[in-house]
Order: sequence, then structure tokens, then C-alpha cells
Amino acid sequence: DAGITQSPRYKITETGRQVTLMCHQTWSHSYMFWYRQDLGHGLRLIYYSAAADITDKGEVPDGYVVSRSKTENFPLTLESATRSQTSVYFCASREGSDTQYFGPGTRLTVL
Amino acid sequence: AQSVTQLGSHVSVSEGALVLLRCNYSSSVPPYLFWYVQYPNQGLQLLLKYTSAATLVKGINGFEAEFKKSETSFHLTKPSAHMSDAAEYFCATLFGNEKLTFGTGTRLTIIP
Repeated sequence: DAGITQSPRYKITETGRQVTLMCHQTWSHSYMFWYRQDLGHGLRLIYYSAAADITDKGEVPDGYVVSRSKTENFPLTLESATRSQTSVYFCASREGSDTQYFGPGTRLTVL
Repeated sequence: AQSVTQLGSHVSVSEGALVLLRCNYSSSVPPYLFWYVQYPNQGLQLLLKYTSAATLVKGINGFEAEFKKSETSFHLTKPSAHMSDAAEYFCATLFGNEKLTFGTGTRLTIIP
């Protein structure tokens, strides 16, 4: 099906473990984004990508790594998870200044 | 830097009453403006967008917003609230071609 998907939808991990959240879009949009959503903070941009092999930091990049070897995929890796990274993570994609589409989110709990 | 301000983190209205959610932007050049809605446990979906065409923009589910340059505002309205409108609403602006800047959101509660 066309659209933007995220996996897993729910993840529980432990402090210090590496975790990768996947994002896949079928539109071949140039731009892709990762946000985290926390109570009291709204949506905060972690990283974004303007095209394959081009990534840039957002507002809260520390502790996260991204890559974009293919246009349709934009995985987000927490290299050594911390409790403060417990959050809901949203991936999004967009072409130019057109509508930005969001995935359904991944709820991550770090114990 | 561009920004958006949403006045009121929580708004409650009675079913059938007017919904008014406020958004002001800060930009010397009129940007692209968006309203998104987020239902519980879901991602954000677009309600409507302003892209410098008509100043009154109609969106989905009976919502509309009016771009007022003199007031730097883009308030979201719906004439008659429905229980299904209960959600969180985000105003956002896009200046240039890069990142959306989001407001902090307004949680809308509908009173039966």
C-alpha cells in the first residue's frame, strides 16, 4: 500500500541497548524527517534529510544517528538508549513545499 | 527565526458550538501555513493549508482557516463542533523549502 510506515509500532528496551526505528515511504519524496513527541514539548525535530545521502541535525539530535542510503528509507538509531529517550517517535516525508505526511508513530519505552 | 504561537493549550467547547483555535505566525514574508490534527494514538494528518492563493482556506471535516496578513494570524474555525472533533491540533509554518515549524498544540475537548 502507498504511504508512510513505521516499525515497530511499540518497543520496550533497556538502558544502554542499541535500538533502530524504521521508516519507509512509497512516494519517493525528497524530504524525510524524524520527530519525537513528549508531553509539554510538542513535536521536536531530531534529524531530517533532503535527499538520499544528505542528512542534517534538527533541534534535539544528541544520542541519535540516521542514515539515508535509499530515498524511501530513513532509519533512526539510538546508539545507547537512555530513559530520557522514552517517547513517541514520528517519521514524516514531504516533496518540496507540498503536504508533509506523517507515519503512525513508534512508542518507545526505555527501562 | 520563524515561529508559530498557539494561544491556549486546552480549549473546551460544547457540542454544536463554534470552534475557534488560534494561531499566530512571526515572519516578515507570508509563509506557507498548515493546520494538522492528531487523534489519540495516531500520527498527524493535514486539515488544511495556505499557500498564498485564497486567504480563506477550507479543509476536511468542515474546518476552515483565514489568513490575515495584517494580524499575522491563521485561526482555525468550525461552525458546529462534533464529538469526533476531540483531538490535538497543531499549527505549522514552512518558510523556504526545509523544515516545518510547529506550534505547541491545542487540545480540543468537546462537552456533550
